[in-house]
Amino acid sequence: AQSVTQLDSQVPVFEEAPVELRCNYSSSVSVYLFWYVQYPNQGLQLLLKYLSGSTLVKGINGFEAEFNKSQTSFHLRKPSVHISDTAEYFCAVSGPSGGYNKLIFGAGTRLAVHP
Amino acid sequence: DARVTQTPRHKVTEMGQEVTMRCQPILGHNTVFWYRQTMMQGLELLAYFRNRAPLDDSGMPKDRFSAEMPDATLATLKIQPSEPRDSAVYFCASGGGQETDTQYFGPGTRLTVL
Repeated sequence: AQSVTQLDSQVPVFEEAPVELRCNYSSSVSVYLFWYVQYPNQGLQLLLKYLSGSTLVKGINGFEAEFNKSQTSFHLRKPSVHISDTAEYFCAVSGPSGGYNKLIFGAGTRLAVHP
Repeated sequence: DARVTQTPRHKVTEMGQEVTMRCQPILGHNTVFWYRQTMMQGLELLAYFRNRAPLDDSGMPKDRFSAEMPDATLATLKIQPSEPRDSAVYFCASGGGQETDTQYFGPGTRLTVL
C-alpha cells in the first residue's frame, strides 16, 4: 500500500528566504506524485505533478519539486517566498494499487511566511 | 474558467438531521471524488465514481452516508442521521478529460453538526 509522510507539520520562514517542504512516499511500484496548496477557507489547488520523465518539475507560483526515486522523496522548493505563499501544502501519491486516479495525501505542512 | 462547484458552502444543522451536499464536476470530467477534511484525520477519501458508477466507497461509513451521481453534472453526498463527529469540510474533486491523472477540487462544504 502507498503512503505519504510530510516530515514537517509547520515551517516558519521569513519573506524572500528559500524554503523546502519535505515529502517522502512509500511504494514498491511506479507512482505519480503531486503537490497541492490550500489557502485558508479554500479548496486544494494543484501546484505541480510528476508522472514520468524529467525528475525536476516546475509548477505554478515559482515552485518546483524534485523526484528522487532512490530516496523515495518529492521535496517542494521555492527560492524566494512571499507573504502570499502562506498556506497549507499537501503532498499526494497515486499508483496502481489504488488505481492511478486515487490519491493518498500526506498530513500537510503549514507554511507561515513572516515579514 | 472551468471549476468544480459545491453547494452549500456552509451548513449548520442539529444532530439527527439529514444533510445533503451537492457537487457539479467540471464539464467533460468522468471521475468524481468525495473527501472529508478534519484536523484530526486530515484528508480522507470517502468515495469515488467513474462514469457515474461507484468504484470505491470503502472510506465511507455505510450506515449513515450515501453517495450518488444522478447524472453526469451532479454528485451528491448525504448523511442521515448526522452526528457531531461528522463536522468537517467535505470536498468534491473531479478528474478525467485530457488530464486523466489530475484531480481538481471544489471549494468545499463546511458542515457543523450541533
